[in-house]
Formats: sequence, C-alpha cells, structure tokens
Amino acid sequence: EAGVTQFPSHSVIEKGQTVTLRCDPISGHDNLYWYRRVMGKEIKFLLHFVKESKQDESGMPNNRFLAERTGGTYSTLKVQPAELEDSGVYFCASKDRERETQYFGPGTRLLVL
Amino acid sequence: QKEVEQDPGPLSVPEGAIVSLNCTYSNSAFQYFMWYRQYSRKGPELLMYTYSSGNKEDGRFTAQVDKSSKYISLFIRDSQPSDSATYLCAMTFLNTGFQKLVFGTGTRLLVSP
Repeated sequence: EAGVTQFPSHSVIEKGQTVTLRCDPISGHDNLYWYRRVMGKEIKFLLHFVKESKQDESGMPNNRFLAERTGGTYSTLKVQPAELEDSGVYFCASKDRERETQYFGPGTRLLVL
Repeated sequence: QKEVEQDPGPLSVPEGAIVSLNCTYSNSAFQYFMWYRQYSRKGPELLMYTYSSGNKEDGRFTAQVDKSSKYISLFIRDSQPSDSATYLCAMTFLNTGFQKLVFGTGTRLLVSP
C-alpha cells in the first residue's frame, strides 16, 4: 500500500510569490489533514478535510492560505502571497474512517526569502 | 503556556541503555495519547497509542500515561543506534473526534554504538 505522498519535497520562493503544495493521501482515506512545523516550534494543526468538505480549519493562520480537496482525493494548499514567516515544513496526513491512526507524508520544506 | 511540553534534548545514550522520554500537558480533556518517531527528512511515524492511564507494551517500547499528573512517558529498552530519531508526543480529545492532534516539540535521541 502506497503511503501519503507530498509534492514538491522542497520549495524556495521569494516573498510575495505564490506556492502550491500538493498532498496525495492513502487510497480510500476520507480524512486528510494539513499540519505545519515552523523552525524550533512544534508541529501545528492547520485544517482537516472529510472527503471534499472542510471539517475544521481553525488552525489556518490567515486568508493567505487556501486549501482545497476537489473530488475528495488529493489536496492542495496554496499560499498567496507568501511571507517570510510562512517558512517551515508542511505535513499532510490521512486517516480512514474506522481507525484513529493518522499517517503522515514526508513533508514539503518551504523557504520564503 | 504550551498545551504540551516536551524537552527538546538532544538526549545522548550508549547502545543498550534504557531511554525515558516524557511529555507533560495542561488540558485535562486530552484522552488519546500517541508517540511518533521521526527520522531526518521523513514524516512522523506512529509508534504507539493509548487511551487510558497505565502502561502499554510493544516489543522494546512501553508507553505510560498518568492522567492524574498529566504526564506521559515512552520507555525504550535495549536502545539501538537505529532508534536515533526525534520522538514526538501527540494527543487529542473526543470533542474533536480525535481528529486534531496537538504535538510536543519533540525530543531528539542519539544512541551511540
């Protein structure tokens, strides 16, 4: 069974540019989560999808961040325009309906210069 | 004050040592406790989870939860160099349907041969 995949693995952009991160969850997992780790801090929850619906977006920092999950499969997280403080590692995780375990992807390392 | 406190380390031990990793938390509503292991440049991987106070054992790993003290521990027996990684505690509660994970900052463990 393929795990959670994320693309790109690294992204370096300039302040003010736009970046789109992609997450492909484990096949059949209805639940998809985005988390972020800023350097020196803990991993923090951003939002949770159940299929294509946003269930909880309480962790989204501001309206420069837009997450979508059209069709309930893969998800994208767009940052527009990017700021220096957006630098960090963005993790995606997925979970099926029956079990509590969230499976994490390898993360996308974003550096905003 | 952070909801979950975890000593960042690094914790250096010789091969074969018993390792104790700990987290404290402030929110008594947390009901589901997890330990993740994260190797460099990889995503967090679930090691163990538990709902209740007490001990849970899996091979060389034992997870311990003391809800009265709001304290959780992970013990690693006969530690191996391959155990060198960052260990993250995470927890969640029923009100969120066990969806939104709250992480500690992680403890970096180094096991020397």
